[in-house]
Amino acid sequence: DAGVTQSPTHLIKTRGQHVTLRCSPISGHKSVSWYQQVLGQGPQFIFQYYEKEERGRGNFPDRFSARQFPNYSSELNVNALLLGDSALYLCASSLGHVLAGELFFGEGSRLTVL
Amino acid sequence: GQQLNQSPQSMFIQEGEDVSMNCTSSSIFNTWLWYKQDPGEGPVLLIALYKAGELTSNGRLTAQFGTTRKDSFLNISASIPSDVGIYFCAGQSGAGSYQLTFGKGTKLSVIP
Repeated sequence: DAGVTQSPTHLIKTRGQHVTLRCSPISGHKSVSWYQQVLGQGPQFIFQYYEKEERGRGNFPDRFSARQFPNYSSELNVNALLLGDSALYLCASSLGHVLAGELFFGEGSRLTVL
Repeated sequence: GQQLNQSPQSMFIQEGEDVSMNCTSSSIFNTWLWYKQDPGEGPVLLIALYKAGELTSNGRLTAQFGTTRKDSFLNISASIPSDVGIYFCAGQSGAGSYQLTFGKGTKLSVIP
């Protein structure tokens, strides 16, 4: 079975641009979470979606937004990119929305902002 | 954002040695998790702990959920070269949210 898939794997943008990152959860999983991992740090929670509804939001500015589609895939959008947005963006999926031990991460999208 | 206090930051050990790392928090967590991340990969779950005082093993790995619910420990016995990577602890404060709080990681290097 395919794991969590993310696209693109790598991308380069310039300051002020907009980026869209995509995530396909494991088949049957209904919850998707997004995390930002800056080099040398642990992942930081951005959003969680379950059954297409936002269930949690981390301490990120409004430039960050996300949505979940009827097929449970998800997009993370970041507007007006800053140099500090350079990071590995991780998507994680789970069957439900309760037990953290059911969370499975994808390999991430590496964003570089110049 | 908030991060857990994870130590040590890095460690170099000889193959065959045992490894210990720990994680502390000023906040109580209901779930503690330990992940391993290899370069270019996402974190992979090693052990999940759901009850204070719980001790759980997964092969050569053993983790404990501290009784105060503010700390956790991970031990790796008889290390091998493929144990190399970055180990993260993470805490979940309540059910219904996957807002995990992560530590900064412990980078493990194993000398053959």
